[in-house]
Amino acid sequence: DAKTTQPTSMDCAEGRAANLPCNHSTISGNEYVYWYRQIHSQGPQYIIHGLKNNETNEMASLIITEDRKSSTLILPHATLRDTAVYYCIVRVAVGGADGLTFGKGTHLIIQP
Amino acid sequence: KAGVTQTPRYLIKTRGQQVTLSCSPISGHRSVSWYQQTPGQGLQFLFEYFSETQRNKGNFPGRFSGRQFSNSRSEMNVSTLELGDSALYLCASSWTTETARRGYTFGSGTRLTVV
Repeated sequence: DAKTTQPTSMDCAEGRAANLPCNHSTISGNEYVYWYRQIHSQGPQYIIHGLKNNETNEMASLIITEDRKSSTLILPHATLRDTAVYYCIVRVAVGGADGLTFGKGTHLIIQP
Repeated sequence: KAGVTQTPRYLIKTRGQQVTLSCSPISGHRSVSWYQQTPGQGLQFLFEYFSETQRNKGNFPGRFSGRQFSNSRSEMNVSTLELGDSALYLCASSWTTETARRGYTFGSGTRLTVV
């Protein structure tokens, strides 16, 4: 699975949009971009995934660059409950030899 | 519907003992995978089961093993516990081994402390 690079931490004001970047310059054509988050003392929570096109669901939007070498997760109106570690993961959709490979993620802190 | 259930939530064991952790996936999910989370190593994949068969395995010693039952419930076992096995053990389930649908759903984990 391709390696990802994320900032270690970010701050965002409550009510503003939180934009979390992820670089995945070695992504392969059949690899998807997944985002999970982990709130303290809980298991990771799936947020969104995409292959090429931008995606939106009830939680967030995912913007993938045309060359697919980077992406941005957008939380449109951040709340204090969005404070968590956010993981960007790239992997194939089916199978895969090593499950989900979690990096260090970005610790997003929402400030009141 | 009920989420992924892991039992027990907390466990304290002594070095050298063995431990069994349980995971009940979401109803209808047939894939169960296990992860270890420690402050130093982060989240690491242990193994994945689908229809009672181990499909994938991470880079862990043979002391770590698992199994899946016909009702998709899974157990993982750690024998001859070491202090370094202290960690949060997370279970995740999905409908199949394909992750491109809704991804994996994780449980809240079992916090194992080895003393």
